[in-house]
Amino acid sequence: AQSVSQHNHHVILSEAASLELGCNYSYGGTVNLFWYVQYPGQHLQLLLKYFSGDPLVKGIKGFEAEFIKSKFSFNLRKPSVQWSDTAEYFCAVEGQDYKLSFGAGTTVTVRA
Amino acid sequence: DADVTQTPRNRITKTGKRIMLECSQTKGHDRMYWYRQDPGLGLRLIYYSFDVKDINKGEISDGYSVSRQAQAKFSLSLESAIPNQTALYFCATSPMDSNTGELFFGEGSRLTVL
Repeated sequence: AQSVSQHNHHVILSEAASLELGCNYSYGGTVNLFWYVQYPGQHLQLLLKYFSGDPLVKGIKGFEAEFIKSKFSFNLRKPSVQWSDTAEYFCAVEGQDYKLSFGAGTTVTVRA
Repeated sequence: DADVTQTPRNRITKTGKRIMLECSQTKGHDRMYWYRQDPGLGLRLIYYSFDVKDINKGEISDGYSVSRQAQAKFSLSLESAIPNQTALYFCATSPMDSNTGELFFGEGSRLTVL
């Protein structure tokens, strides 16, 4: 079974700052990788996904993530955050059993 | 209207009571899942179903049971609720013909067991 580790529990930053959230996974086979976002009081929504091809994937709202196979990592980045990016971010991995395993989540607080 | 609907949205109950959380979807997806979310632990899979006759345990199925009444309905039961089952529960769906694993989540059911 796969497992997912997110490096930061809570990140606080100011508007216009750059954001990078770390995600590492453990799994021996081919994986699909995801970042989901949960805005306050809402359900999870897909931010971006990787399943093949260019390891640098772009998602909604200016987010991007880079898959580095040798490091088993899939870090999320945004060059300049906005107050509306305040949310909880979850990295997830899907193995060949079609089940997603989620990381513990990183709460991002953006101060105006 | 939401594509994935959960009821109830909030429930407070007492230890030992039987509770059912219901999930219905209009997306036409074959795969349905129940997750629970706890602070600092993320989402953990309780049960999942890939079609009406298929039920599988997830990583934390003890104390829970499920029923897939139809393609569109997947309910989660707590036979005898205990306080450590206090959590936010999410139902999710995904299409069978997709290998990308994207899940579509309901709004969540917040359960408090006193």
